[in-house]
Amino acid sequence: DAGVTQSPTHLIKTRGQQVTLRCSPKSGHDTVSWYQQALGQGPQFIFQYYEEEERQRGNFPDRFSGHQFPNYSSELNVNALLLGDSALYLCASSLRDSGLWEQYFGPGTRLTVT
Amino acid sequence: QKEVEQDPGPLSVPEGAIVSLNCTYSNSAFQYFMWYRQYSRKGPELLMYTYSSGNKEDGRFTAQVDKSSKYISLFIRDSQPSDSATYLCATYSGGYQKVTFGTGTKLQVIP
Repeated sequence: DAGVTQSPTHLIKTRGQQVTLRCSPKSGHDTVSWYQQALGQGPQFIFQYYEEEERQRGNFPDRFSGHQFPNYSSELNVNALLLGDSALYLCASSLRDSGLWEQYFGPGTRLTVT
Repeated sequence: QKEVEQDPGPLSVPEGAIVSLNCTYSNSAFQYFMWYRQYSRKGPELLMYTYSSGNKEDGRFTAQVDKSSKYISLFIRDSQPSDSATYLCATYSGGYQKVTFGTGTKLQVIP
């Protein structure tokens, strides 16, 4: 049973560029949440997708956008990258009927903005 | 004030010690309380979750929630070097609401 997978593993971008990160949820899961984890900090909630719609959003600017596909996989897009966007981006999947208390994380994508 | 406060440590203990990790939270709407373990450069791994107040035990791990004082604890018995990681507490009120994490406590268990 494949767990949550994310791609790419590492990414280096320049300020002002755009980036797309990808996530495939755990088999059977239908809800995907994205988090940003800065060094030495806990994960910060970006947004959550269920049934291809954004259901909840954290305190992140509109430069952060996402999408969920019919197969439940998801993308996170960040435009106009800033140095402060450098972080580990985590995707977590869960089953809507079970609730977010039982979500499973992928290994993350480490984004470095120079 | 952060919604969830957690001492970042680091916490260093000898092998076999009992470890106590703690968090406090401010939002009384939180109903679910989770503990995650995160190894260096890896994603968080769910250890256990608790609904409302009370205790929950899973092997060497015990989670405690005291909603009256808004205090969350994780106890690790007979700690092992493999327990060395960052431990994250998290809270959630249910439905479409977000999960809120603490900053994490870095634990080192010395052989």
